[in-house]
Amino acid sequence: GAVVSQHPSWVICKSGTSVKIECRSLDFQATTMFWYRQFPKQSLMLMATSNEGSKATYEQGVEKDKFLINHASLTLSTLTVTSAHPEDSSFYICSALQREPYEQYFGPGTRLTVT
Amino acid sequence: GQNIDQPTEMTATEGAIVQINCTYQTSGFNGLFWYQQHAGEAPTFLSYNVLDGLEEKGRFSSFLSRSKGYSYLLLKELQMKDSASYLCAGLDSNYQLIWGAGTKLIIKP
Repeated sequence: GAVVSQHPSWVICKSGTSVKIECRSLDFQATTMFWYRQFPKQSLMLMATSNEGSKATYEQGVEKDKFLINHASLTLSTLTVTSAHPEDSSFYICSALQREPYEQYFGPGTRLTVT
Repeated sequence: GQNIDQPTEMTATEGAIVQINCTYQTSGFNGLFWYQQHAGEAPTFLSYNVLDGLEEKGRFSSFLSRSKGYSYLLLKELQMKDSASYLCAGLDSNYQLIWGAGTKLIIKP
C-alpha cells in the first residue's frame, strides 16, 4: 500500500525554539494532507487541513501563527511548531489523502518533547 | 453539529466475534473510515465505506447504512493482537475527518 513518512520520528527541543516536522507521501501525489495531534490516552485531534498550493485550514482553537503549515508540493507538507513550550509536547501525526482509489494513509507520527 | 459516537470500551474473548458500532452526524457525507490504533502508534487504515452495505476484508468487515447514519466494524476469529483502539471517522462535505473518541477493545484468552 501507499506509504507516508514523517521526519523526524522523535525530537527533543528547548522551550522557545522552533521545530519543523516533514510529512511525505512516497508513492502517490497528495493534494490534501492532514495534521493531527494526539495527547496520551486521547483520540486524534485534527489541527489543520493542508491543500497543495493554498493556505492551510486550521481547526478552531489551533493557533495558525504558532503552527505553521506549508504544503509546497504534491508530496510534501511541513508543520513548524514555533516558540515551542512544554505544553506543545505531543505526538504529531500527518496523513495524506489519495484519490482514485480514495484512501487515507497515516504517517508514523513524530513525538515532540519540549524541555 | 457534527458528531461521531462509539462505545468507549468493549471486551471479547479470543477466537470470538465482536461488533463495534458507530453512529455519525456530519455536514454532508463523503464516507466513513475505520482505523486500528495500538497504544503509542499512529492509526492504521482498516476500511472506507461510502455506499451502503457490507465490505469484507479477511477477518475484518465494515458495514454502512447512510439512511441510519450508522456503521459497524466486525472482527472475526479474534486474536490477542487485535487488542487496540478502533477509531470511527466520518468525512464531511469539506473532506474533513470527524473523529470518534475510539473504542478500546480488550481481548481475553
